[in-house]
Amino acid sequence: DAGVIQSPRHEVTEMGQEVTLRCKPISGHDYLFWYRQTMMRGLELLIYFNNNVPIDDSGMPEDRFSAKMPNASFSTLKIQPSEPRDSAVYFCASSLGEDGPNEKLFFGSGTQLSVL
Amino acid sequence: EDKVVQSPLSLVVHEGDTVTLNCSYEVTNFRSLLWYKQEKKAPTFLFMLTSSGIEKKSGRLSSILDKKELFSILNITATQTGDSAVYLCASRTGANSKLTFGKGITLSVRP
Repeated sequence: DAGVIQSPRHEVTEMGQEVTLRCKPISGHDYLFWYRQTMMRGLELLIYFNNNVPIDDSGMPEDRFSAKMPNASFSTLKIQPSEPRDSAVYFCASSLGEDGPNEKLFFGSGTQLSVL
Repeated sequence: EDKVVQSPLSLVVHEGDTVTLNCSYEVTNFRSLLWYKQEKKAPTFLFMLTSSGIEKKSGRLSSILDKKELFSILNITATQTGDSAVYLCASRTGANSKLTFGKGITLSVRP
């Protein structure tokens, strides 16, 4: 299994530009999570989906952030317009389900975003 | 608001030492506590704990949960330089499927 695949690995952009991060979860996983990691705040959950439906987006910082999951094998996180304070590593993770050993998350390698 | 606190924030030890990493949590409707190791990029799963007092073990690593005192520890014996990483603790609540992570403990193992 290829694991959770994220792209791009690195993104450098200028303030005000639109940024789109992509994620392909592990096949068969029903849950998909977007996390952001910074030195100051650690790993923070932005949003998660169950069977392609957004369940909890309370961690999305503001309206500039949006996430979609059009099908079971693809999700995007979009920032428009981007700001320097959005610079962070963005992780996508997936899991099989809610109970027992299925609870554990498998993380992608992350996207290092730098907004200048 | 759910909270997970890890200590110490960082730790430097020498190869062969034993280390204990701490994680305390304050969450509503607790379900499980998980430990992850993060080296360069993606966190990788170590343990999941749901019951008090039952030690989980994998090689030189072990972990235990105390649901009464709301904490967990991760022990690493006979540390090696390859154990150098950030160790993350996370708690899952029953209200939903999300994990709340602590800020992590940076462990450096010197030769």
